[in-house]
Amino acid sequence: DAGITQSPRHKVTETGTPVTLRCHQTENHRYMYWYRQDPGHGLRLIHYSYGVKDTDKGEVSDGYSVSRSKTEDFLLTLESATSSQTSVYFCAISGGQGRETQYFGPGTRLLVL
Amino acid sequence: GDSVTQMEGPVTLSEEAFLTINCTYTATGYPSLFWYVQYPGEGLQLLLKATKADDKGSNKGFEATYRKETTSFHLEKGSVQVSDSAVYFCALSDNFGNEKLTFGTGTRLTIIP
Repeated sequence: DAGITQSPRHKVTETGTPVTLRCHQTENHRYMYWYRQDPGHGLRLIHYSYGVKDTDKGEVSDGYSVSRSKTEDFLLTLESATSSQTSVYFCAISGGQGRETQYFGPGTRLLVL
Repeated sequence: GDSVTQMEGPVTLSEEAFLTINCTYTATGYPSLFWYVQYPGEGLQLLLKATKADDKGSNKGFEATYRKETTSFHLEKGSVQVSDSAVYFCALSDNFGNEKLTFGTGTRLTIIP
């Protein structure tokens, strides 16, 4: 299994509070991604990173920000959580050499009350 | 933009039955195609992939062939087992350097003994 961990694994928070999710990898992969999984939508890309301090938006980036100060860590921040951000969040990594597989972390289940 | 359409679920089959889960895609260029599997409470795992037309991906008895003429990548297995019960996602990568994945909505498969 690819060395990807996510923390926390479960979180309950209240509307309006900031939340940060962490993804940590031990594979030294260049690319890292944050997805959210919702019933009827599959997985949708929130943000991704193609190197330290290099990030870009995905299809559902509104309300989210990311940071990557080290190769191994990719943080996802909900600046002011809303109930619509209740979801399961997955981090993924890939080597960035073209036509490569993405490997997924175990997920973080977030409930915003 | 890119899109993936896969067979609506849920699908329920008896053990040893033949499985087909349909997947079609829309993409510019020459995408790579993937099937991922998600077991209950876990993250996504790569099941198989194909990177060019007419390639066949295979793993654990599952197969899928990249058909450019019909823009399809249908998943098949000749004899399913109870342990194959999971959610299956078809996905594509546009190969434009960022390796972003576009997912279908997922198909929940339940195998009954």
